[in-house]
Amino acid sequence: DAKTTQPTSMDCAEGRAANLPCNHSTISGNEYVYWYRQIHSQGPQYIIHGLKNNETNEMASLIITEDRKSSTLILPHATLRDTAVYYCIVRVYSGNTPLVFGKGTRLSVIA
Amino acid sequence: DAGVTQSPTHLIKTRGQQVTLRCSPKSGHDTVSWYQQALGQGPQFIFQYYEEEERQRGNFPDRFSGHQFPNYSSELNVNALLLGDSALYLCASSPFGQGNSYEQYFGPGTRLTVT
Repeated sequence: DAKTTQPTSMDCAEGRAANLPCNHSTISGNEYVYWYRQIHSQGPQYIIHGLKNNETNEMASLIITEDRKSSTLILPHATLRDTAVYYCIVRVYSGNTPLVFGKGTRLSVIA
Repeated sequence: DAGVTQSPTHLIKTRGQQVTLRCSPKSGHDTVSWYQQALGQGPQFIFQYYEEEERQRGNFPDRFSGHQFPNYSSELNVNALLLGDSALYLCASSPFGQGNSYEQYFGPGTRLTVT
């Protein structure tokens, strides 16, 4: 079973920041937080991952609370192409550990 | 650089039949994982292949089997199809055991419909 809890759906205005929350209160010390997204009819796409420090890449920023029990994925300037299901996953730091997906958050970016 | 490719794109089978789905990993990747995604659900891990052997397996019955070839491509076989096997089947590839965590690259999936 997935170890994360996410809201079922969220809306965001185009051009605004999208903040997607995730709760992972039972995360272990050796588990990272990963984010993937799945645009309709495509395979999931890796976005970002982190352990305890905030992370940023060309797609998004990841903010992890100090107690590591929750995190927020931030898309700084959402576009219509960011409309997708976003999955938050906790995972042991190993390239081939299977991903355990929950139902994710359906983000709708509105013009 | 081609990413992960899967074939066929769509497939319709009858209950009780057998099906084979195919996957070619991303260049440089030697590990292939298969996932099943039912409508409205997140993907569920089926199994993983490395060095032509099944290395990890999720909670799926023996009707689901696989194979990996020397060129790292892989097949997923499902026997005695049930209506509940209707789903999007996703293949993901990654490099194996290099001491770091690599994200898994997913293909577009094969949509299987069982009637």
